Amino acid sequence: GDSVTQTEGLVTLTKGLPVMLNCTYQTTYSPFLFWYVQHLNEAPKLLLKSSTDNKRTEHQGFYATLHKSSSSFHLQKSSVQLSDSALYFCALSHNAGAKLTFGGGTRLTVRP
Amino acid sequence: DAGVTQTPRHEVAEKGQTIILKCEPVSGHNDLFWYRQTKIQGLELLSYFRSKSLMEDGGAFKDRFKAEMLNSSFSTLKIQPTEPKDSAVYLCASSLNNYAEQFFGPGTRLTVL
Repeated sequence: GDSVTQTEGLVTLTKGLPVMLNCTYQTTYSPFLFWYVQHLNEAPKLLLKSSTDNKRTEHQGFYATLHKSSSSFHLQKSSVQLSDSALYFCALSHNAGAKLTFGGGTRLTVRP
Repeated sequence: DAGVTQTPRHEVAEKGQTIILKCEPVSGHNDLFWYRQTKIQGLELLSYFRSKSLMEDGGAFKDRFKAEMLNSSFSTLKIQPTEPKDSAVYLCASSLNNYAEQFFGPGTRLTVL
Protein backbone atom coordinates (compact mmCIF):
# COMPACT_ATOMS: atom_id res chain seq x y z
CA GLY A 1 0.00 0.00 0.00
CA ASP A 2 0.89 3.68 -0.09
CA SER A 3 3.07 5.19 2.62
CA VAL A 4 4.70 8.51 3.51
CA THR A 5 7.67 8.87 5.83
CA GLN A 6 8.72 12.03 7.61
CA THR A 7 11.91 11.23 9.47
CA GLU A 8 11.95 14.21 11.84
CA GLY A 9 9.25 14.45 14.43
CA LEU A 10 10.56 17.65 15.91
CA VAL A 11 12.81 20.36 14.47
CA THR A 12 13.92 23.40 16.45
CA LEU A 13 15.73 26.25 14.74
CA THR A 14 16.77 29.80 15.36
CA LYS A 15 15.05 32.50 13.33
CA GLY A 16 16.81 33.29 10.06
CA LEU A 17 18.32 29.85 9.53
CA PRO A 18 17.44 27.55 6.60
CA VAL A 19 15.30 24.46 7.10
CA MET A 20 14.66 21.24 5.24
CA LEU A 21 11.89 18.87 6.31
CA ASN A 22 12.22 15.42 4.83
CA CYS A 23 9.48 13.52 3.04
CA THR A 24 9.76 10.23 1.18
CA TYR A 25 6.94 8.13 -0.17
CA GLN A 26 6.03 4.77 -1.60
CA THR A 27 3.36 4.09 -4.17
CA THR A 28 2.98 2.02 -7.29
CA TYR A 29 0.90 4.73 -8.97
CA SER A 30 1.76 8.11 -10.44
CA PRO A 31 2.14 10.32 -7.35
CA PHE A 32 0.68 13.66 -6.32
CA LEU A 33 2.53 15.14 -3.34
CA PHE A 34 1.30 17.78 -0.91
CA TRP A 35 2.62 19.71 2.05
CA TYR A 36 0.06 20.87 4.60
CA VAL A 37 0.81 23.24 7.48
CA GLN A 38 -1.14 23.32 10.73
CA HIS A 39 -0.66 26.18 13.16
CA LEU A 40 -1.61 25.72 16.78
CA ASN A 41 -5.36 25.25 17.27
CA GLU A 42 -6.01 25.73 13.57
CA ALA A 43 -7.00 23.42 10.72
CA PRO A 44 -4.37 22.06 8.32
CA LYS A 45 -3.99 24.18 5.19
CA LEU A 46 -2.36 23.39 1.88
CA LEU A 47 1.11 24.86 1.51
CA LEU A 48 2.44 23.22 -1.68
CA LYS A 49 1.52 20.53 -4.13
CA SER A 50 3.19 18.89 -7.13
CA SER A 51 2.91 16.03 -9.53
CA THR A 52 5.63 17.15 -11.95
CA ASP A 53 8.98 15.45 -11.72
CA ASN A 54 12.01 17.66 -11.05
CA LYS A 55 10.05 20.92 -11.05
CA ARG A 56 10.39 23.28 -8.08
CA THR A 57 7.13 24.48 -6.52
CA GLU A 58 7.09 27.58 -4.30
CA HIS A 59 4.64 29.30 -1.97
CA GLN A 60 5.06 31.77 0.88
CA GLY A 61 8.84 31.38 0.83
CA PHE A 62 8.69 27.59 1.07
CA TYR A 63 9.69 25.37 -1.83
CA ALA A 64 9.85 21.72 -2.72
CA THR A 65 10.81 19.61 -5.71
CA LEU A 66 9.28 16.24 -6.49
CA HIS A 67 11.98 13.73 -7.35
CA LYS A 68 10.40 10.52 -8.58
CA SER A 69 13.80 8.84 -8.91
CA SER A 70 14.31 9.06 -5.15
CA SER A 71 10.60 9.17 -4.16
CA SER A 72 11.16 12.40 -2.27
CA PHE A 73 9.41 15.74 -1.79
CA HIS A 74 11.43 17.62 0.83
CA LEU A 75 10.20 21.00 2.06
CA GLN A 76 12.70 23.84 2.31
CA LYS A 77 12.91 27.47 3.28
CA SER A 78 15.99 29.64 3.16
CA SER A 79 15.23 31.71 6.25
CA VAL A 80 12.66 30.64 8.83
CA GLN A 81 10.53 33.11 10.75
CA LEU A 82 8.84 32.86 14.13
CA SER A 83 5.49 32.56 12.34
CA ASP A 84 6.67 29.38 10.63
CA SER A 85 6.37 27.49 13.90
CA ALA A 86 3.75 24.85 13.11
CA LEU A 87 3.09 21.19 12.35
CA TYR A 88 3.95 20.22 8.78
CA PHE A 89 2.44 17.19 7.06
CA CYS A 90 3.58 15.59 3.85
CA ALA A 91 0.79 13.76 2.01
CA LEU A 92 0.46 11.51 -1.01
CA SER A 93 -2.32 10.92 -3.50
CA HIS A 94 -2.19 9.27 -6.89
CA ASN A 95 -4.04 8.84 -10.13
CA ALA A 96 -6.11 5.97 -8.80
CA GLY A 97 -7.96 7.88 -6.09
CA ALA A 98 -8.44 11.10 -4.13
CA LYS A 99 -7.62 9.73 -0.70
CA LEU A 100 -4.58 11.29 0.93
CA THR A 101 -1.98 9.25 2.81
CA PHE A 102 -0.33 11.43 5.44
CA GLY A 103 3.10 11.24 6.97
CA GLY A 104 3.48 11.41 10.72
CA GLY A 105 4.13 15.14 10.70
CA THR A 106 7.09 17.31 11.68
CA ARG A 107 6.71 19.95 14.35
CA LEU A 108 8.85 22.98 13.52
CA THR A 109 9.65 25.37 16.35
CA VAL A 110 11.44 28.60 15.51
CA ARG A 111 13.04 30.44 18.41
CA PRO A 112 14.14 34.09 18.50
CA ASP B 1 -17.33 31.51 0.34
CA ALA B 2 -17.84 29.51 3.48
CA GLY B 3 -15.21 26.93 4.26
CA VAL B 4 -15.79 23.59 5.96
CA THR B 5 -17.78 23.99 9.15
CA GLN B 6 -17.84 21.56 12.04
CA THR B 7 -19.97 21.44 15.15
CA PRO B 8 -19.55 21.25 18.02
CA ARG B 9 -16.04 22.61 18.45
CA HIS B 10 -15.68 20.86 21.78
CA GLU B 11 -17.43 17.82 23.19
CA VAL B 12 -17.07 16.11 26.53
CA ALA B 13 -18.63 12.67 26.90
CA GLU B 14 -18.80 9.99 29.53
CA LYS B 15 -17.53 6.54 28.61
CA GLY B 16 -20.28 4.58 26.90
CA GLN B 17 -22.19 7.57 25.57
CA THR B 18 -23.15 8.13 21.96
CA ILE B 19 -21.92 11.30 20.34
CA ILE B 20 -22.59 12.76 16.91
CA LEU B 21 -20.24 15.15 15.21
CA LYS B 22 -21.42 17.26 12.28
CA CYS B 23 -19.73 18.61 9.17
CA GLU B 24 -20.78 20.86 6.32
CA PRO B 25 -18.37 20.68 3.37
CA VAL B 26 -17.50 23.48 0.98
CA SER B 27 -20.42 23.98 -1.40
CA GLY B 28 -19.89 22.10 -4.65
CA HIS B 29 -17.22 19.73 -3.34
CA ASN B 30 -17.71 16.09 -4.24
CA ASP B 31 -15.34 14.41 -1.80
CA LEU B 32 -15.67 14.43 1.99
CA PHE B 33 -13.26 12.97 4.51
CA TRP B 34 -13.33 12.34 8.25
CA TYR B 35 -9.98 12.15 10.07
CA ARG B 36 -8.92 11.61 13.63
CA GLN B 37 -5.86 13.49 14.87
CA THR B 38 -3.82 12.54 17.91
CA LYS B 39 -0.26 13.38 18.88
CA ILE B 40 0.76 9.74 18.85
CA GLN B 41 -1.02 8.45 15.74
CA GLY B 42 -1.09 11.64 13.72
CA LEU B 43 -3.82 11.95 11.08
CA GLU B 44 -5.88 8.79 10.53
CA LEU B 45 -8.57 8.46 7.89
CA LEU B 46 -11.90 7.35 9.31
CA SER B 47 -14.21 7.64 6.30
CA TYR B 48 -14.20 8.93 2.74
CA PHE B 49 -17.25 9.81 0.63
CA ARG B 50 -17.41 10.60 -3.05
CA SER B 51 -20.65 12.16 -4.27
CA LYS B 52 -22.31 10.91 -1.06
CA SER B 53 -21.21 7.31 -1.63
CA LEU B 54 -19.04 5.74 1.04
CA MET B 55 -15.72 4.84 -0.59
CA GLU B 56 -13.77 3.85 2.49
CA ASP B 57 -14.80 3.32 6.08
CA GLY B 58 -11.41 3.24 7.76
CA GLY B 59 -11.05 -0.46 8.49
CA ALA B 60 -10.10 -0.56 12.14
CA PHE B 61 -12.65 2.11 13.00
CA LYS B 62 -15.64 0.18 11.68
CA ASP B 63 -17.02 -1.24 14.87
CA ARG B 64 -17.92 1.90 16.83
CA PHE B 65 -17.57 4.63 14.22
CA LYS B 66 -20.20 5.32 11.61
CA ALA B 67 -20.10 8.17 9.14
CA GLU B 68 -23.08 9.12 7.02
CA MET B 69 -23.73 11.61 4.28
CA LEU B 70 -27.44 11.98 3.70
CA ASN B 71 -27.05 14.89 1.33
CA SER B 72 -24.20 16.64 -0.43
CA SER B 73 -24.03 19.44 2.11
CA PHE B 74 -24.06 17.57 5.42
CA SER B 75 -22.27 14.67 7.04
CA THR B 76 -22.28 13.14 10.50
CA LEU B 77 -19.85 10.96 12.39
CA LYS B 78 -21.36 8.86 15.15
CA ILE B 79 -19.22 7.23 17.81
CA GLN B 80 -21.12 4.59 19.78
CA PRO B 81 -20.21 3.74 22.48
CA THR B 82 -17.41 6.17 23.26
CA GLU B 83 -14.25 5.07 25.03
CA PRO B 84 -11.51 7.19 26.66
CA LYS B 85 -9.12 6.22 23.86
CA ASP B 86 -11.41 8.09 21.44
CA SER B 87 -10.26 11.38 22.93
CA ALA B 88 -8.83 13.27 19.96
CA VAL B 89 -9.50 16.03 17.47
CA TYR B 90 -11.86 14.97 14.68
CA LEU B 91 -11.34 16.78 11.42
CA CYS B 92 -13.62 16.96 8.43
CA ALA B 93 -12.26 17.90 5.02
CA SER B 94 -13.68 18.28 1.54
CA SER B 95 -12.26 18.57 -1.95
CA LEU B 96 -13.60 19.24 -5.41
CA ASN B 97 -12.30 16.11 -7.06
CA ASN B 98 -9.25 13.91 -7.58
CA TYR B 99 -5.89 15.58 -6.91
CA ALA B 100 -7.56 18.79 -5.68
CA GLU B 101 -6.66 20.47 -2.43
CA GLN B 102 -8.47 19.22 0.64
CA PHE B 103 -10.01 21.99 2.74
CA PHE B 104 -10.15 21.18 6.43
CA GLY B 105 -12.65 22.30 9.00
CA PRO B 106 -11.60 23.64 12.42
CA GLY B 107 -12.16 20.26 14.05
CA THR B 108 -14.06 18.96 17.04
CA ARG B 109 -12.04 18.29 20.16
CA LEU B 110 -13.56 15.25 21.87
CA THR B 111 -12.75 14.32 25.45
CA VAL B 112 -14.10 11.04 26.78
CA LEU B 113 -13.97 10.66 30.53
